[in-house]
Amino acid sequence: DAGVTQSPTHLIKTRGQQVTLRCSPKSGHDTVSWYQQALGQGPQFIFQYYEEEERQRGNFPDRFSGHQFPNYSSELNVNALLLGDSALYLCASSLRNRAGQPQHFGDGTRLSIL
Amino acid sequence: AQTVTQSQPEMSVQEAETVTLSCTYDTSENNYYLFWYKQPPSRQMILVIRQEAYKQQNATENRFSVNFQKAAKSFSLKISDSQLGDTAMYFCAFLGPNDMRFGAGTRLTVKP
Repeated sequence: DAGVTQSPTHLIKTRGQQVTLRCSPKSGHDTVSWYQQALGQGPQFIFQYYEEEERQRGNFPDRFSGHQFPNYSSELNVNALLLGDSALYLCASSLRNRAGQPQHFGDGTRLSIL
Repeated sequence: AQTVTQSQPEMSVQEAETVTLSCTYDTSENNYYLFWYKQPPSRQMILVIRQEAYKQQNATENRFSVNFQKAAKSFSLKISDSQLGDTAMYFCAFLGPNDMRFGAGTRLTVKP
């Protein structure tokens, strides 16, 4: 039973560039959430996708966008990268119609902006 | 908006001893869920324990148990018989009708 997988594991970009991070949810899950975790802090909710639409969004600018595909996998896109976007980006999956179920997390993508 | 506060940035405990990590939260919701996640240096977030707000009974999972005080909005984690493998960051999380909110974390070190 495959868990949540994210790619790449580590990425280095420069300011102003664009980046795409990828996530495959745990088998049987249909909802994907993305989080940004700055060094030494807790994860901050970016947005959640279900049925290929963004359902919830945290306090992040429009430079952060996403997509969910019919197979439930998801992408996180960040445009016009800033130094402050350097962080660990975590993807989590869950089953939408089971309230209160814990989210299962991937290992994350470490994004470094130079 | 829901907020989650972990007031202990760092804690340490001797192997085989018991330690309690604190968490408080603020919400106007009545139905919600609370979690403790563990994040070792390998960085994957691992679920430790889950509590449903409508259940008065405190959740337990082997050496891990919680003290859930709904009126006080407190949700502490007790780790009994601490093991070296328990060394990690521990995050308290609140799940309401919208998104999941995390605290800033407590770094726990188990000393041999």
